[in-house]
Amino acid sequence: AQSVTQLGSHVSVSEGALVLLRCNYSSSVPPYLFWYVQYPNQGLQLLLKYTSAATLVKGINGFEAEFKKSETSFHLTKPSAHMSDAAEYFCAVSDPNDMRFGAGTRLTVKP
Amino acid sequence: GAVVSQHPSRVICKSGTSVKIECRSLDFQATTMFWYRQFPKQSLMLMATSNEGSKATYEQGVEKDKFLINHASLTLSTLTVTSAHPEDSSFYICSAERTGLAEQFFGPGTRLTVL
Repeated sequence: AQSVTQLGSHVSVSEGALVLLRCNYSSSVPPYLFWYVQYPNQGLQLLLKYTSAATLVKGINGFEAEFKKSETSFHLTKPSAHMSDAAEYFCAVSDPNDMRFGAGTRLTVKP
Repeated sequence: GAVVSQHPSRVICKSGTSVKIECRSLDFQATTMFWYRQFPKQSLMLMATSNEGSKATYEQGVEKDKFLINHASLTLSTLTVTSAHPEDSSFYICSAERTGLAEQFFGPGTRLTVL
């Protein structure tokens, strides 16, 4: 069975500061990994995905994530936070017909 | 891109009534669609997986007679919440897996409020 752990249910950063959202996964097969963003009362928007190609994945809105097999991690980063980045972020692991989500991390950006 | 729509986006109903939520893949065919439920400030919980033309597979603890899923075509799946009660109030999100791709595309969600 696969699973995802997001460390930190709430992360707060200042505008312009580095954003780091942590995700560790467990999977019995080579995983596909995703990061999604969710704004209030909206569905999920895909930020980026890892599907066994390059380990450093660049996504939308300046986000990127690095797949580290040895650490079973797929942390999400952004060099400089914007106010508009405030949202809920979900990490997910997929073995094609079975996607599991982490509990989510709420990102707050302070002016 | 791959677009998934849901209708309605919001619905308020009285306790005891049934509510149908539609999930459509607008520009691709989806052999498999998924239904999730999300409680406030919580993650998505998979309710069921539906495959076109066959019965849905429900996750443990999800009542199949209460949450009826129909996947009659490659672009449409419906979730019917039967005899809804206030505890069924939640945000329901569907996703569709594009045939041949290991990726799910998510709908915008439906907010159900049962009075």
